[in-house]
Amino acid sequence: GQNIDQPTEMTATEGAIVQINCTYQTSGFNGLFWYQQHAGEAPTFLSYNVLDGLEEKGRFSSFLSRSKGYSYLLLKELQMKDSASYLCAVSPPGSWGKFQFGAGTQVVVTP
Amino acid sequence: GAGVSQTPSNKVTEKGKYVELRCDPISGHTALYWYRQSLGQGPEFLIYFQGTGAADDSGLPNDRFFAVRPEGSVSTLKIQRTERGDSAVYLCASSFLNTGELFFGEGSRLTVL
Repeated sequence: GQNIDQPTEMTATEGAIVQINCTYQTSGFNGLFWYQQHAGEAPTFLSYNVLDGLEEKGRFSSFLSRSKGYSYLLLKELQMKDSASYLCAVSPPGSWGKFQFGAGTQVVVTP
Repeated sequence: GAGVSQTPSNKVTEKGKYVELRCDPISGHTALYWYRQSLGQGPEFLIYFQGTGAADDSGLPNDRFFAVRPEGSVSTLKIQRTERGDSAVYLCASSFLNTGELFFGEGSRLTVL
């Protein structure tokens, strides 16, 4: 199995930075992915890492350390619309879209 | 529309009944996935199609669940003898092959009374 742990909820102020951590236990995987899901809506792809290091996409960045079993998603210049659940997911070798998702981190952005 | 379309958006049924959930993927996407999501949880993998064939059905919880994709496009998830524990949002996603960038539909919310 691939236990994936992420905090249940985080609160931050508009304009601030929030870092969502994700730890996992797996013997191998293709990549680590982050999806955003607004309440009652479909998950949407945000970012992914295959190699160790930082991937930057506008206000969102994702980091991976395979040796430490750790990833984080960094949200900068928070906006009210960023209030959503953020899902960490890993895909096993040979199957890119067969994800093991974490339970999600609910980010609440306050004015 | 250009996105993944799922019907019905809501389905209420009684325990023991049969239900079908339909997914119309993005045109040109070879891979199609079914997931289900319970409140407060991440999506749980059910089955994956590559073209017309089920490449991986290891996530189907038991033999009451079955899915088809006869022409490599539209897929139907079929649930027999529904149980209250089947209540969840059933999500369909499609993608090109060998990519983890899935495009999800809005889901079908199934409630079994």
